[in-house]
Amino acid sequence: NAGVTQTPKFQVLKTGQSMTLQCAQDMNHNSMYWYRQDPGMGLRLIYYSASEGTTDKGEVPNGYNVSRLNKREFSLRLESAAPSQTSVYFCASSKGATDTQYFGPGTRLTVL
Amino acid sequence: DQQVKQNSPSLSVQEGRISILNCDYTNSMFDYFLWYKKYPAEGPTFLISISSIKDKNEDGRFTVFLNKSAKHLSLHIVPSQPGDSAVYFCAALDFNKFYFGSGTKLNVKP
Repeated sequence: NAGVTQTPKFQVLKTGQSMTLQCAQDMNHNSMYWYRQDPGMGLRLIYYSASEGTTDKGEVPNGYNVSRLNKREFSLRLESAAPSQTSVYFCASSKGATDTQYFGPGTRLTVL
Repeated sequence: DQQVKQNSPSLSVQEGRISILNCDYTNSMFDYFLWYKKYPAEGPTFLISISSIKDKNEDGRFTVFLNKSAKHLSLHIVPSQPGDSAVYFCAALDFNKFYFGSGTKLNVKP
């Protein structure tokens, strides 16, 4: 039982490049989330998907897009990476929108 | 402006003693609170939660206290163990979004 998996673990991009962060969960959870963690800022919600087929903006959505591909997978796309997007990105899932969230191991992204 | 604040970035405690981690919040609509623990290079893992209708919840060595009038919650770890050394995040629920504090790094010295 893998829980929440994220790929890649590490990535270095140049300013203006694009990339997609992948997330999958095998717990049959309905809700999925993308957070970023920056020093001194805690975890901030980028986008979330309360259920398959829906997505909503969180606190810091600018510069990102998401796709809830199916119930298991929720991807985060950076269309034109900027140095301000250097961060650690965590995907999480939960049974319902108000239930405990389970986190993946994170993706450490550096934008030069 | 952060709605959930952890004002102590770090805390150092001797093994066997009590660790007290604090969290303050500004939004009176928060009705459910959680603590997560995070080791380096891993994602946060759920530790303990409390509903706003309670003022205390206990799970083994971990107890969370909620003071709604002061908009303050705390996590007590007794006795502290070296394996408890990690970053602890508090989080609060408003409708269907969780808001996280910036974390407190706990170091338990043997």
